[in-house]
Amino acid sequence: AQSVTQPDIHITVSEGASLELRCNYSYGATPYLFWYVQSPGQGLQLLLKYFSGDTLVQGIKGFEAEFKRSQSSFNLRKPSVHWSDAAEYFCAVGGVSGTYKYIFGTGTRLKVLA
Amino acid sequence: SAVISQKPSRDICQRGTSLTIQCQVDSQVTMMFWYRQQPGQSLTLIATANQGSEATYESGFVIDKFPISRPNLTFSTLTVSNMSPEDSSIYLCSAPGQGAMGTEAFFGQGTRLTVV
Repeated sequence: AQSVTQPDIHITVSEGASLELRCNYSYGATPYLFWYVQSPGQGLQLLLKYFSGDTLVQGIKGFEAEFKRSQSSFNLRKPSVHWSDAAEYFCAVGGVSGTYKYIFGTGTRLKVLA
Repeated sequence: SAVISQKPSRDICQRGTSLTIQCQVDSQVTMMFWYRQQPGQSLTLIATANQGSEATYESGFVIDKFPISRPNLTFSTLTVSNMSPEDSSIYLCSAPGQGAMGTEAFFGQGTRLTVV
């Protein structure tokens, strides 16, 4: 069955430190992968997406993610975290079973220390 | 990209009552989706709203509890019926962008529902 796992429920980093949020997926075909961010009281905003091609993708707000097929991973990174990055981050697989359905991970809540 | 507007943004409801949530997309889309996000949880797909046909419900969700309307290609409603405190969640409307199946999904701001 298709699934998305985000092993870290909470992560705390200091402002200016680097960040890596982990995402592992289980999917039979080449997945369409996404990272979304949800700020308190807000909807979901797309950070970046991977469909094919270059396995390192750049997104908004200085985020990037690397697709590693051998590890079934799509980890999100940022070299220097800003206080405004505090939010919940969701990894998702899209286009499930040839549909427009998406499967979301359980989310990682990021706290940024000043 | 698509801009999705949901209302109400939040509501507090008495148990046993029903709430209808509206979702408006600024462009025509073939499919719209309704998700539930329970406190501290991820998003779970409730159903796919198809224009001109019955909604398609995911396992664990039924039409009697979550009736959905889709009168045209830009609008949908989700009703949460006979509410109980367990229905307290954020409900999100979503629509895919134009293009292939893997096109990104766009989301409304969500409706935060509290049932007392």
